[in-house]
Amino acid sequence: DAKTTQPPSMDCAEGRAANLPCNHSTISGNEYVYWYRQIHSQGPQYIIHGLKNNETNEMASLIITEDRKSSTLILPHATLRDTAVYYCIGLIYNQGGKLIFGQGTELSVKP
Amino acid sequence: NAGVTQTPKFQVLKTGQSMTLQCAQDMNHEYMSWYRQDPGMGLRLIHYSVGAGITDQGEVPNGYNVSRSTTEDFPLRLLSAAPSQTSVYFCASSLTTGGNEQYFGPGTRLTVT
Repeated sequence: DAKTTQPPSMDCAEGRAANLPCNHSTISGNEYVYWYRQIHSQGPQYIIHGLKNNETNEMASLIITEDRKSSTLILPHATLRDTAVYYCIGLIYNQGGKLIFGQGTELSVKP
Repeated sequence: NAGVTQTPKFQVLKTGQSMTLQCAQDMNHEYMSWYRQDPGMGLRLIHYSVGAGITDQGEVPNGYNVSRSTTEDFPLRLLSAAPSQTSVYFCASSLTTGGNEQYFGPGTRLTVT
């Protein structure tokens, strides 16, 4: 699995875009970048994943650099309910679901 | 769909007691797994199953047993509880054979005294 590095914490104003960075310089060619989040005391929630193209769904956008050494998760209009720990994980597609959660980024959305 | 459900939500055990944490999903997912999360730490995989009748060990399997007799249920058994097993336990399931897009239950908070 690729080693990922994320800032331990970030703040964001409510209604603004939250941009969460992740470095994964050792990612291999067949590893996808997955993002999960964990709201306090709840189970983790899958957000989005991508290989090399930018991806968007109803929750977020994922921007992956051309060299695939880093990516950014974008929450376009952050709300207080987006306050959570966000995890960036590198996974081979048929990993067998062996998610390895690092320390993640604690995002605080403030009014 | 109820999604992934876990019972009980809270449990206190004495050292040496045994118990079963229940996990069920109604999404017809083949893949199910159990994680534990200790304070201030990420989740660690205990056991997982890629389908009924098939289970395998994860990162921290010692002290836990699992079985998968149906697609819907994946119980986790603590054989002889120890204080080191005090943790929050999460069950997850996934539709894909790769299992990377997982749906998590609300967790069971277990304290062993």
